[in-house]
Amino acid sequence: KAGVTQTPRYLIKTRGQQVTLSCSPISGHRSVSWYQQTPGQGLQFLFEYFSETQRNKGNFPGRFSGRQFSNSRSEMNVSTLELGDSALYLCASSSLAGGRTDTQYFGPGTRLTVL
Amino acid sequence: QQQVKQSPQSLIVQKGGISIINCAYENTAFDYFPWYQQFPGKGPALLIAIRPDVSEKKEGRFTISFNKSAKQFSLHIMDSQPGDSATYFCAASGGDTDKLIFGTGTRLQVFP
Repeated sequence: KAGVTQTPRYLIKTRGQQVTLSCSPISGHRSVSWYQQTPGQGLQFLFEYFSETQRNKGNFPGRFSGRQFSNSRSEMNVSTLELGDSALYLCASSSLAGGRTDTQYFGPGTRLTVL
Repeated sequence: QQQVKQSPQSLIVQKGGISIINCAYENTAFDYFPWYQQFPGKGPALLIAIRPDVSEKKEGRFTISFNKSAKQFSLHIMDSQPGDSATYFCAASGGDTDKLIFGTGTRLQVFP
C-alpha cells in the first residue's frame, strides 16, 4: 500500500497570508489527524477527522482549521499566518478498531516557513 | 495531567551498547503507548507499541517495559547500531480521546 502523502513538501509564506496543506491517507484509512511539530513545543495535536467530521480538536486558535472530503483526503488551512506558525505539519492516517483510533501512520510532513 | 514526560533529551551510545529512554505519564486513563522513530526530513514512524495488559513487549532489538503502578514506560534498544541514530518519541492516548500526546523526544546518537 502507498503511504500517507502530503503536499506540498515545502512552503514559504509571509505574515498575514493564508495557507492550505493537503494530506492523502493510506487507502482504506478513514481517520486523518494533523500535528504541528516545532523544536520548542514538540509534536502537538491539531485535530482529527473521520468520515468528514471533526472527531477531536487540540488547543490551537481558530486560525487553524481543517476539513475532510468523502474520499478521506484532508486539508488544513491556516489563516492570517504568524511567524510562530513556522513548523513541520504532519498528517497521520489510521483506521478505527472498536471505535478507537488504531495505529497512526505519519506522512513526511509539510515544512512551512513564515517570513 | 495530559503530559507525557520523556528523558533524557539526548543520548550518546557506543555501537553494541544498550540505549534506554524513559517516559512517565499522569493520566491513568491512557491505555495505548507507542514509540515513534523519526529521521531528519521524515515523519515519525511507529516502532513498537504496548497496552497496559502486558508489562513487556519485544520486537527484534526493541523492547518496551511498562510499569502501570509507577505510570512509567521505557524503550530499550539492544545492540544499538549507528543506523538507530534518530529522534525517538514516546506517546500515549486513551480515556476520552484518541489523540496522541507526545513526549518531548530523545535524540539518540550511536557511534561506531
